[in-house]
Amino acid sequence: DAGVTQSPTHLIKTRGQHVTLRCSPISGHKSVSWYQQVLGQGPQFIFQYYEKEERGRGNFPDRFSARQFPNYSSELNVNALLLGDSALYLCASSLSGFDKAFFGQGTRLTVV
Amino acid sequence: AQTVTQSQPEMSVQEAETVTLSCTYDTSESDYYLFWYKQPPSRQMILVIRQEAYKQQNATENRFSVNFQKAAKSFSLKISDSQLGDAAMYFCAYRNNYGGSQGNLIFGKGTKLSVKP
Repeated sequence: DAGVTQSPTHLIKTRGQHVTLRCSPISGHKSVSWYQQVLGQGPQFIFQYYEKEERGRGNFPDRFSARQFPNYSSELNVNALLLGDSALYLCASSLSGFDKAFFGQGTRLTVV
Repeated sequence: AQTVTQSQPEMSVQEAETVTLSCTYDTSESDYYLFWYKQPPSRQMILVIRQEAYKQQNATENRFSVNFQKAAKSFSLKISDSQLGDAAMYFCAYRNNYGGSQGNLIFGKGTKLSVKP
């Protein structure tokens, strides 16, 4: 079975631009969570979705938004990019959100 | 708010030896999970071991075991018979089991483990 897949793997954007990151969960998993990992730090929670509904939101500005589709895949959108948004963005999926989370390999976003 | 602290930015161990990584956490909750994740250079977070707060018995997974001290809010990871493939960043993480943020993992800053041949 395929694991959690994220696309793209690397991305370079200019300040002020918009970016969309994508995540496909493991088949059968209905929950997707997004995390931001700045270099040298642990991941920080951004969003969790379950059955297409937002279940939780971390302490991130409104420039960050997400959604989950009927097939349980998810998108993370970031508007008006800042240099500080440069990070590794990780997606994790699980059956219900309360059980074991499986992570993708992340999208490395660089804002210049 | 819950916090997770890893006080060892870097650790080193000789191949085949044993190493212990430290983690402390702060919470007022009684129902939660604790985890150790491994992040190799490939970037993918891999679950190493998890511990439910209500279970007094320390979790073990092959060469990996934890020392869970609930009263002290301490959760250390012991790696026995260290292998070259164990070299990675190790993150301690916490998760509530109830409330609006049950599924959110709270991570420490990580410990970089090097394994010397």
